[in-house]
Amino acid sequence: DIQMTQSPSTLSASVGDRVTITCRASQGVSDLLAWYQQKPGKAPQLLIYRASRLNSGVPSRFSGSGSGTEFTLTISSLQPDDFATYYCQQFNTFSLTFGGGSKVEIK
Amino acid sequence: EVQLAESGGGLVQPGGSLRLSCAASGFTFNSHALGWVRQAPGKGLEWVSVISIRGDFTYYADSVKGRVTISRDNWKTTLYLQMNGLRAEDTAVYYCVKELVGVGGSYVFDKWGKGTLVTVSS
Repeated sequence: DIQMTQSPSTLSASVGDRVTITCRASQGVSDLLAWYQQKPGKAPQLLIYRASRLNSGVPSRFSGSGSGTEFTLTISSLQPDDFATYYCQQFNTFSLTFGGGSKVEIK
Repeated sequence: EVQLAESGGGLVQPGGSLRLSCAASGFTFNSHALGWVRQAPGKGLEWVSVISIRGDFTYYADSVKGRVTISRDNWKTTLYLQMNGLRAEDTAVYYCVKELVGVGGSYVFDKWGKGTLVTVSS
């Protein structure tokens, strides 16, 4: 199986900050990577797919980039609603795998 | 509005069985692959299984292969997960998920249910 490694596991930031989360795959997945946001006690929501395509209704302050084995999720100006845990997921194979998560906390 | 409503979770003893259901509405059920993703308490997301549109292809995580069977009833617009030989490590919230079509690759999930908790304990 392809292993997905996220960093950092926890990040402390303030409203208005630019935030970047990294996701690395143990082998190349082309651009077949998605990002999800999960708030406490809620189901995850799809933010980005194909590494950089915003899902419908997702604010433009979210962006994704990368291909192959290294990917980033960027929030250009952190908003109060963005404090959550973020997960990457590869869909290059039929054995889907998620990263371990990156929690964005209030500084 | 898309709705995915899981049911069937609960407390079960190790070695026991449980059948989860997911009642779907608000979209063309037989045009989307569906699946299950779980989350152990305080842990990250783990993909469990996916079933194709007509149910002719199924995929399972190694951690559940041989113990779990996914199925769907396109007439009842319901997804199922039959779980046998349950272990303590199967304790988790189980989410029903719907694929986002037309993105290439295998499966990306654009809709999630609220989840149902399965607890395996004696």
